Amino acid sequence: AQSVSQHNHHVILSEAASLELGCNYSYGGTVNLFWYVQYPGQHLQLLLKYFSGDPLVKGIKGFEAEFIKSKFSFNLRKPSVQWSDTAEYFCAVKAAAAGNKLTFGGGTRVLVKP
Amino acid sequence: GAVVSQHPSWVICKSGTSVKIECRSLDFQATTMFWYRQFPKQSLMLMATSNEGSKATYEQGVEKDKFLINHASLTLSTLTVTSAHPEDSSFYICSAPGLAGGNSYNEQFFGPGTRLTVL
Repeated sequence: AQSVSQHNHHVILSEAASLELGCNYSYGGTVNLFWYVQYPGQHLQLLLKYFSGDPLVKGIKGFEAEFIKSKFSFNLRKPSVQWSDTAEYFCAVKAAAAGNKLTFGGGTRVLVKP
Repeated sequence: GAVVSQHPSWVICKSGTSVKIECRSLDFQATTMFWYRQFPKQSLMLMATSNEGSKATYEQGVEKDKFLINHASLTLSTLTVTSAHPEDSSFYICSAPGLAGGNSYNEQFFGPGTRLTVL
């Protein structure tokens, strides 16, 4: 079945460490790619998105993601995390092959220790 | 950015009762809204697409008679969980596509969610 996979369910790291969260999808054809963040007790917020153009996308709060078409990947990165980055992160894909519905990965819980 | 609200934010009900959840786009119109369900420590699963002026389209495995959706206007969609049972306890989230300020791309804006607990 076509899907969106996030490799890590939980990540624990210290402040100032670098963060990379993996996301792979299995849809062919045209895709729009998103990373959302859900802070504790809050609703989903868009971190960044890729529609076309430069495959390296910069988002809010110092996050960036790189679309690698050949690997069907859209990994999220942040060079130096802060305690306030503690949240759950969701990769999502909107694919023509899936009726242009937004399909979410399983999410990654990130805990940044102060 | 565009704002989507949900009401109530949480609800506790007895088994067998029905619960209505509202989703509103506050500063934009939405001919389409989406309803998701999120179980604890799991991802969002699309339940159905709500269409203003026509019937909702449900994802495979979602009972349309159990989860009634009404898109009453361009700013309001409601999800009614009928004859709720404990297994319906979950976090229900709606979203609506809207134009991000200055951006020509449609972006989905999410509501804060409604936590339903069925006793």
